[in-house]
Amino acid sequence: NAGVTQTPKFQVLKTGQSMTLQCAQDMNHEYMSWYRQDPGMGLRLIHYSVGAGITDQGEVPNGYNVSRSTTEDFPLRLLSAAPSQTSVYFCASSLDSPTSTNEKLFFGSGTQLSVL
Amino acid sequence: RKEVEQDPGPFNVPEGATVAFNCTYSNSASQSFFWYRQDCRKEPKLLMSVYSSGNEDGRFTAQLNRASQYISLLIRDSKLSDSATYLCVVNMWGRGSTLGRLYFGRGTQLTVWP
Repeated sequence: NAGVTQTPKFQVLKTGQSMTLQCAQDMNHEYMSWYRQDPGMGLRLIHYSVGAGITDQGEVPNGYNVSRSTTEDFPLRLLSAAPSQTSVYFCASSLDSPTSTNEKLFFGSGTQLSVL
Repeated sequence: RKEVEQDPGPFNVPEGATVAFNCTYSNSASQSFFWYRQDCRKEPKLLMSVYSSGNEDGRFTAQLNRASQYISLLIRDSKLSDSATYLCVVNMWGRGSTLGRLYFGRGTQLTVWP
């Protein structure tokens, strides 16, 4: 099992450009999510999905779109990149809702995004 | 007030020391609590869940105090390999949401020196 695979690892964008961060998991997890991590801040939830075709907003959804057409994939789209979106992005998945006591979140290795 | 608050540290301790981290949370209805560990420039990984009665995993002990709304992590006999950032994670229910969300603290940085 590869676990949670995120690509790319690094990306530099110019303001206004769009791009998609890819996330795939091979553990048949229903729950997938995207977080961003900024210096001095905790991880903040951007969007999440509880299964194919079902997505919802997290704490900081503005400027990002997601879709979940398959169980395995959960791409994150930046529509028009802004410097405020410079951050480290993590994709995470779990078998069921991660709010259950015994549910473990599996994270991808992260994407360092810089918007100039 | 932030949903989850942690002392950012850094905590610098010698090998063999005992160190404790605290974390407070704002929502008294929270039901699930976790400690995650994050190494420098790496992804977070689950260290342990925190149960109401407290729980232990080797050198690590987690406690929950619902009345005061805080959780703690105790590390005994610290090892160099324990150097990392420890993230406190709590579930909370958002307005109108039927699915709870996890909220992460900013993390407490620990450095264990020889």
